[in-house]
Amino acid sequence: AAGVIQSPRHLIKEKRETATLKCYPIPRHDTVYWYQQGPGQDPQFLISFYEKMQSDKGSIPDRFSAQQFSDYHSELNMSSLELGDSALYFCASSPRTGRHEQFFGPGTRLTVL
Amino acid sequence: AQKVTQAQTEISVVEKEDVTLDCVYETRDTTYYLFWYKQPPSGELVFLIRRNSFDEQNEISGRYSWNFQKSTSSFNFTITASQVVDSAVYFCALSGSNTNAGKSTFGDGTTLTVKP
Repeated sequence: AAGVIQSPRHLIKEKRETATLKCYPIPRHDTVYWYQQGPGQDPQFLISFYEKMQSDKGSIPDRFSAQQFSDYHSELNMSSLELGDSALYFCASSPRTGRHEQFFGPGTRLTVL
Repeated sequence: AQKVTQAQTEISVVEKEDVTLDCVYETRDTTYYLFWYKQPPSGELVFLIRRNSFDEQNEISGRYSWNFQKSTSSFNFTITASQVVDSAVYFCALSGSNTNAGKSTFGDGTTLTVKP
């Protein structure tokens, strides 16, 4: 069965650089969620999109922005990277009929040097 | 606001022992969903179970079992006859039905170490 795809799987950036993470939801899933998991921490909700519109917002820094495109894939853009942005970034998707049936991608590990 | 508490930060057992991971939650939603995920050292989140607030039946899947008690707002997870491969961080999570629809609130996680 198709799963959520995230790219890249690993990313190394310098401070003050920008990064773009991509998420491809499971086919026919219209909702995407982004989570950030710092070292030794639990995943924290950042933002979600439903039908290409932002549906909810968590503790996402102003330096980050995200959007969902017409094919339902989503991108998380991160600017002016800081050391503290080093984390695992998970994307999850859910179908219209099962909003609570979240499927997580494998994550993107971002390291900021 | 939603909250999930996993009181056990770390648990260490010897192989073949049974172990229970505790999870207590808080929510004002009348309909909600509870989850358990396993996170091995490789980092991915492995879905284990989802339970909605109207289904208080306990569930068993192989060596795994879950005890959902709405009266005490608990959703505990037991591994029977633990194995070294069970070593991982386990997260309990909660998803509400109203304004919180969809997004999950995670507990701090319990690191389980199973020694041979």
